[in-house]
Amino acid sequence: GAVVSQHPSRVICKSGTSVKIECRSLDFQATTMFWYRQFPKQSLMLMATSNEGSKATYEQGVEKDKFLINHASLTLSTLTVTSAHPEDSSFYICSANQGAANEKLFFGSGTQLSVL
Amino acid sequence: DQQVKQNSPSLSVQEGRISILNCDYTNSMFDYFLWYKKYPAEGPTFLISISSIKDKNEDGRFTVFLNKSAKHLSLHIVPSQPGDSAVYFCAASDPGTYKYIFGTGTRLKVLA
Repeated sequence: GAVVSQHPSRVICKSGTSVKIECRSLDFQATTMFWYRQFPKQSLMLMATSNEGSKATYEQGVEKDKFLINHASLTLSTLTVTSAHPEDSSFYICSANQGAANEKLFFGSGTQLSVL
Repeated sequence: DQQVKQNSPSLSVQEGRISILNCDYTNSMFDYFLWYKKYPAEGPTFLISISSIKDKNEDGRFTVFLNKSAKHLSLHIVPSQPGDSAVYFCAASDPGTYKYIFGTGTRLKVLA
């Protein structure tokens, strides 16, 4: 099946720094990628939809200046958590689908962000 | 407002028996449903899907049933194996938006 690679898998940073997370589709082109956030024992919350060549679409309540998304190519989307604070500590997961809207999503392995 | 709900946060089943995980949704426009399995600190792994035009889809030990009138779907795992122990999420596709909305998950524990 399709593979989505996400890096880094874990990052620990100081408060106030910025962290970039990469999401790559390895064997298919993804015009659309999604970024999710998961708090412990909670659901996957969609943060934003990343569209290749255009601006990302953010869900209500997600600060677009805080979570910068860039989808510069058909195989790469990045999420940058700017000026990270302890409350940004969470598990971030990207996903992509291979084709039409109802194709199944393939997920990256996730990034555990811990902000000290 | 949670559009996709998994009301059972956890479930324990004996090895070899059937595991039934349930999912309810509120939006009758959802047209595609998926089940994912997730281990801690890992990304979800796709298990099985079902289109709203069907009421059943089977893949090996996994069967998903969809009851559109009740806005309910369930995942059956039979026979359950200890390796099935994980958190299971159902997800529903918001038509035309490419978005999937996830339930809160059910932690399945299969006892050897």
